[in-house]
Amino acid sequence: GENVEQHPSTLSVQEGDSAVIKCTYSDSASNYFPWYKQELGKRPQLIIDIRSNVGEKKDQRIAVTLNKTAKHFSLHITETQPEDSAVYFCAASRDTDKLIFGTGTRLQVFP
Amino acid sequence: SAVISQKPSRDICQRGTSLTIQCQVDSQVTMMFWYRQQPGQSLTLIATANQGSEATYESGFVIDKFPISRPNLTFSTLTVSNMSPEDSSIYLCSVELAGVGTYNEQFFGPGTRLTVL
Repeated sequence: GENVEQHPSTLSVQEGDSAVIKCTYSDSASNYFPWYKQELGKRPQLIIDIRSNVGEKKDQRIAVTLNKTAKHFSLHITETQPEDSAVYFCAASRDTDKLIFGTGTRLQVFP
Repeated sequence: SAVISQKPSRDICQRGTSLTIQCQVDSQVTMMFWYRQQPGQSLTLIATANQGSEATYESGFVIDKFPISRPNLTFSTLTVSNMSPEDSSIYLCSVELAGVGTYNEQFFGPGTRLTVL
């Protein structure tokens, strides 16, 4: 079955700097890769996703890149702000199959 | 996106008892899932709630412990049976909404925080 690894487990950056979180997956048939942001005590929220037919997707300050050959995908946050502080989860799935989540990255943005 | 609600939002229960968690969506959805999130951990899929048929359970989860119902396309329940302190966790439902192409986006309910004493 699918296995998703996520690094780093914690990440601290200064406000205004960029943050990058990386995930690798094992199932080459996976074709959908969402990213979720979970603030303390709240539900995970979908912030961006990418499908296997594209290599990069941007939405304002966040972007996701996908390398199908290497089976890894990354979340990039530019110009970080304190409100970006949260736990971020990557996930992978195949078609409408279940999501398999990574272990999470706790991002702290210091003002 | 859809509006997803869960009841109760939190509960404190005695070991050996059972708790039923409800998940309600404001629109019909094809797929509904139940996840467990232990403190400081990632999300682990318990089962897929199938409308009109038995749920599909993931490895390590069984129907006797986590019976699931899904009587229609907007509602599902998860029961945590014969609880022990190890069942203390956040339980979340999620729904899959139709997106572009074959791949559908999942959205989560607010979660139910369960503490078992």
